[in-house]
Amino acid sequence: EPEVTQTPSHQVTQMGQEVILRCVPISNHLYFYWYRQILGQKVEFLVSFYNNEISEKSEIFDDQFSVERPDGSNFTLKIRSTKLEDSAMYFCASSLNRGAYNSPLHFGNGTRLTVT
Amino acid sequence: SQQGEEDPQALSIQEGENATMNCSYKTSINNLQWYRQNSGRGLVHLILIRSNEREKHSGRLRVTLDTSKKSSSLLITASRAADTASYFCATDDYNTDKLIFGTGTRLQVFP
Repeated sequence: EPEVTQTPSHQVTQMGQEVILRCVPISNHLYFYWYRQILGQKVEFLVSFYNNEISEKSEIFDDQFSVERPDGSNFTLKIRSTKLEDSAMYFCASSLNRGAYNSPLHFGNGTRLTVT
Repeated sequence: SQQGEEDPQALSIQEGENATMNCSYKTSINNLQWYRQNSGRGLVHLILIRSNEREKHSGRLRVTLDTSKKSSSLLITASRAADTASYFCATDDYNTDKLIFGTGTRLQVFP
């Protein structure tokens, strides 16, 4: 069964450094998302992406964050200058149709980001 | 405000027992979905129920939706130790792209 893959599984970085989290969504999916989960807490929406542009973003997704689909397969999340509070599990997801409209999301296994 | 709130926050049962988890939400929805998360892993979609549906089954899972009370329940029948995981409900934020996840119920099934 096709799956969403994320790399790396664990990323450790120093405060102020840039990180890029990578995802390969399911190949025929059209909608892409990033969510994050601070340890033991809620799964929070960051951004949705469709047709090569951001379709929606949350208050968390400030100017330090950006997303890109550089080619036909990868979907990346960049954090320009990491803060301690960015430490979390970051999940990429994709869906065939618009996620909010009756389409399940398929999640990767996440990248655990630790900012020291 | 929290869109999805599950209760209980944690549930411990013996294998073979049924597990019931509840979810409440605040706004109008198109659908409600339930996801499962094993420790340290991604979320796995379990079942989706549309706003015009009242009940749905999938294997040992039964989901109900009461839009008048803005609540849903997930029943896992004849639980197994492998059902041990966190379970989240998620609702769409009407007319937006995002799913809003609840706080989750941690289910522990003892063999």
